[in-house]
Amino acid sequence: GQQVMQIPQYQHVQEGEDFTTYCNSSTTLSNIQWYKQRPGGHPVFLIQLVKSGEVKKQKRLTFQFGEAKKNSSLHITATQTTDVGTYFCAATPNTGNQFYFGTGTSLTVIP
Amino acid sequence: GAGVSQSPSNKVTEKGKDVELRCDPISGHTALYWYRQSLGQGLEFLIYFQGNSAPDKSGLPSDRFSAERTGGSVSTLTIQRTQQEDSAVYLCASSLATASSYNEQFFGPGTRLTVL
Repeated sequence: GQQVMQIPQYQHVQEGEDFTTYCNSSTTLSNIQWYKQRPGGHPVFLIQLVKSGEVKKQKRLTFQFGEAKKNSSLHITATQTTDVGTYFCAATPNTGNQFYFGTGTSLTVIP
Repeated sequence: GAGVSQSPSNKVTEKGKDVELRCDPISGHTALYWYRQSLGQGLEFLIYFQGNSAPDKSGLPSDRFSAERTGGSVSTLTIQRTQQEDSAVYLCASSLATASSYNEQFFGPGTRLTVL
């Protein structure tokens, strides 16, 4: 079945350091979404990537979709304590309509 | 406007009892998803409804789990003969269209189920 691997599982960074999480699929994807879940909260949509090689930026966050549409990354520049949470990718394969969520990367920012 | 709502927010039940979890999606959203999230884990897809189409039940872990969506709006997830391993947060999400087109999923606050 469809598998979406996300690494690392946990990341502790000093405030001001950069952070990257990676999402990898075994099959070609139609699109990929990224969500952030604060501790005790529910996932909140960040962005969707559709095109091969697409790069999107939201302030300090940069999202990339691989050329082969099998992987994606989220990079945060100069982390802040407000970035704390778990970041999930959610992938849609070329066939089917459901989302497959990655295992998530839990980010801790040390002030 | 109102977001996705779920009830109850917390449910404690005894092993073997049946439970019903409710989800009210955002008005006008044709797609509705149920997920399960165990403590510190990712989201496990359970079931997906899209309009009047037959639901995608491929994620339901056993025949003790079932879900309905009445009138294309409210959905109920039913777990029969609950087991301790069913303990988790059950999240509902809705979106405007199918996963194949640009859309975001709006999540409800979840129902925390504890089976004693």
